[in-house]
Amino acid sequence: NAGVTQTPKFQVLKTGQSMTLQCAQDMNHNSMYWYRQDPGMGLRLIYYSASEGTTDKGEVPNGYNVSRLNKREFSLRLESAAPSQTSVYFCASSPTQGAGEQYFGPGTRLTVT
Amino acid sequence: AQSVAQPEDQVNVAEGNPLTVKCTYSVSGNPYLFWYVQYPNRGLQFLLKYITGDNLVKGSYGFEAEFNKSQTSFHLKKPSALVSDSALYFCAVRDPRSGGSYIPTFGRGTSLIVHP
Repeated sequence: NAGVTQTPKFQVLKTGQSMTLQCAQDMNHNSMYWYRQDPGMGLRLIYYSASEGTTDKGEVPNGYNVSRLNKREFSLRLESAAPSQTSVYFCASSPTQGAGEQYFGPGTRLTVT
Repeated sequence: AQSVAQPEDQVNVAEGNPLTVKCTYSVSGNPYLFWYVQYPNRGLQFLLKYITGDNLVKGSYGFEAEFNKSQTSFHLKKPSALVSDSALYFCAVRDPRSGGSYIPTFGRGTSLIVHP
């Protein structure tokens, strides 16, 4: 099992450019999440998908869109990147049985200049 | 509403000594509680969880956590620290009544530094 995979690992964008961060999980989890991690800010939830076909806003959704392509894949899109979106982005998934502990991908380090 | 606090930004301990990383929580009912570890340039990794039952929960890499309902705490412990335990540790809480969203609240993280 690969667990949760993310691509790319690193990306540099110029202000105004767009890009899509890809995430896939092979654990048959229903729920998937996108977080950003910034120094001193901890983890902040951008969007989540409780199940295939549904998506909802988290704490910091502005400037982002998501697509739950199927049960395995959950992508995050930046339509017009801004320097404030420089961050490390993590995708996670969780089962919807039991406590629902989350399993995280390795992250994408994004720099917007 | 649910919240979690990690009162220490950094914990320093000598190798071989016991370590404690503190976490307190607030949730309306009985909580689900989690600890995660993040090594440099890696994603968060699930360590252990408390759902119900025994207040002492054992997890990966020799870590354990003690649930204390009266003090609303869930401190992470290890009897003998290793230099390789140096990492960022996150506590998280979830209200089981949150239904299908399964959204936890994370603490800000505590940096554990184990000195040789």
